[in-house]
Amino acid sequence: DAGVIQSPRHEVTEMGQEVTLRCKPISGHDYLFWYRQTMMRGLELLIYFNNNVPIDDSGMPEDRFSAKMPNASFSTLKIQPSEPRDSAVYFCASSLDNQPQHFGDGTRLSIL
Amino acid sequence: SQQGEEDPQALSIQEGENATMNCSYKTSINNLQWYRQNSGRGLVHLILIRSNEREKHSGRLRVTLDTSKKSSSLLITASRAADTASYFCAPYPGGYNKLIFGAGTRLAVHP
Repeated sequence: DAGVIQSPRHEVTEMGQEVTLRCKPISGHDYLFWYRQTMMRGLELLIYFNNNVPIDDSGMPEDRFSAKMPNASFSTLKIQPSEPRDSAVYFCASSLDNQPQHFGDGTRLSIL
Repeated sequence: SQQGEEDPQALSIQEGENATMNCSYKTSINNLQWYRQNSGRGLVHLILIRSNEREKHSGRLRVTLDTSKKSSSLLITASRAADTASYFCAPYPGGYNKLIFGAGTRLAVHP
């Protein structure tokens, strides 16, 4: 079975540019989570969806961040405009209700 | 906070030794989950223990749960170099509550 698929795996861009991270959850999973991981702050939950509806976005750092889930098989996390402090590894995970989360291998984002 | 707090922050052992990691939390839980993260990879679920369970085994892994003390432990027996990773506990209250991961325990197993 295919796991959670994230793209791109690596992204290097200049400050001020728009960045779009993509995630394909495991088929049939009804929860999708976006996390950010840095050495300083560890693993932070940014936002999660249930049945394509955002449930809790309290972890989104500021208005420059937005996330969408137009259908059950696709989600995006967008940063516009990007800043150097956004550099991190961004993970997507999916799960069934009350079941463990399955993580993708992340997108390593570097903002110069 | 429903965040799990792992202890110790770092652990260094020799191959063949056992590794024990502890987790404390503050809220009531539906279950508690342990995850492993290898360098450069996403988290991988290891084991889930429900609130009405006290102990669970999976291969070389043994997890205990003490809901009265709000604590859990993960024991890896006969460790291998491939067990080198960060280990996270995640208490899950249930419902729409989310998992909040702590800082993890960094385990280094030396050949």
